[in-house]
Amino acid sequence: EDQVTQSPEALRLQEGESSSLNCSYTVSGLRGLFWYRQDPGKGPEFLFTLYSAGEEKEKERLKATLTKKESFLHITAPKPEDSATYLCAVPTLGNQAGTALIFGKGTTLSVSS
Amino acid sequence: IAGITQAPTSQILAAGRRMTLRCTQDMRHNAMYWYRQDLGLGLRLIHYSNTAGTTGKGEVPDGYSVSRANTDDFPLTLASAVPSQTSVYFCASSQASGSDEQFFGPGTRLTVL
Repeated sequence: EDQVTQSPEALRLQEGESSSLNCSYTVSGLRGLFWYRQDPGKGPEFLFTLYSAGEEKEKERLKATLTKKESFLHITAPKPEDSATYLCAVPTLGNQAGTALIFGKGTTLSVSS
Repeated sequence: IAGITQAPTSQILAAGRRMTLRCTQDMRHNAMYWYRQDLGLGLRLIHYSNTAGTTGKGEVPDGYSVSRANTDDFPLTLASAVPSQTSVYFCASSQASGSDEQFFGPGTRLTVL
């Protein structure tokens, strides 16, 4: 069964304290891994897509990396505005190819000044 | 501004009533999706549509129906609402099904009493 697991569930950081969020996955034939950011009361906002092991993508203080079994979202010198829930997701073969995204339950990041 | 709009923003509904959640996108995306998000369960796919005129069932389709008469609109109908359908509902779209990133609307918060 295809599965996505994120850890930790919650992470509290001081401003400037770098850390990483983990997303481990089990899927038959990876066709991409997506990272989203979700602020309270809003819809998920797309951040990155990674397609192959070794790939890295960066956006401001965020860098996403991918291996054959997991992805990391590295946050360098976070600021309070980085506080949000970060979700990862992978496409899975549903009734038709690629029609479903399986989401992890997310990591809620809180950055205090 | 290009994107996805959902209506209503929130709704309180008596059990047994019929309700349609509206979703419109102006990005000319072929694929559209409905998810529900519940605390502790994450985002789960209800129904999807790979292109206008076609629909399919996701992980949790019971009690919901959808239609896709044109590219832009993808309404979700609860024929007879039950309290377990209390949730936040997100509509999403992607250029194509498969490994394309999905873009999400702002959500509809539905409470069924």
